[in-house]
Amino acid sequence: DQQVKQNSPSLSVQEGRISILNCDYTNSMFDYFLWYKKYPAEGPTFLISISSIKDKNEDGRFTVFLNKSAKHLSLHIVPSQPGDSAVYFCAAAGGGADGLTFGKGTHLIIQP
Amino acid sequence: DTEVTQTPKHLVMGMTNKKSLKCEQHMGHRAMYWYKQKAKKPPELMFVYSYEKLSINESVPSRFSPECPNSSLLNLHLHALQPEDSALYLCASSHRDRDHNEQFFGPGTRLTVL
Repeated sequence: DQQVKQNSPSLSVQEGRISILNCDYTNSMFDYFLWYKKYPAEGPTFLISISSIKDKNEDGRFTVFLNKSAKHLSLHIVPSQPGDSAVYFCAAAGGGADGLTFGKGTHLIIQP
Repeated sequence: DTEVTQTPKHLVMGMTNKKSLKCEQHMGHRAMYWYKQKAKKPPELMFVYSYEKLSINESVPSRFSPECPNSSLLNLHLHALQPEDSALYLCASSHRDRDHNEQFFGPGTRLTVL
């Protein structure tokens, strides 16, 4: 049973436009959410996180929005740059568990 | 130092070999983790060490044996592995005494079992 879902395996966005990556979760005990960026054959790189007591967190070009009632979060990247092309993982923590539960990832492709 | 380092970068081993993966961090983090990632899949948690004690073992086969010699080091001892154990093994670390739970990952060890 997948507790963190990223339903879009891939997303193509034009350079300079906004990229929106979506993530849904089912476990209401999750209280902390993170986004990671991953290149092939490398470890995930932490991007941005949000606590369940907030609905928005912003860091430079990256903004994460959390809708607790819908159990949905999204990552906005604006403006999108070619270096943003990578696989983005949504992850969740909480409910007494120490580890992270990851979604399957979304491959973001930024078109020039 | 804000890095998690892992050695070796690549490892090829036979099913009868014994080998070890190593992980090191100097960020003062008190929790360290092993994850396994197969191709086109998300990372899956294997073990968690908190203050140098094993706190979570996600039903991992005994052919994987973790060890945490001190708060900066984490090893994963491998013995009698199967070809299906071939994967990218990721180490991560995080603070345990803060509200944030960001885990910082190393580059991984690409393991191939023949």
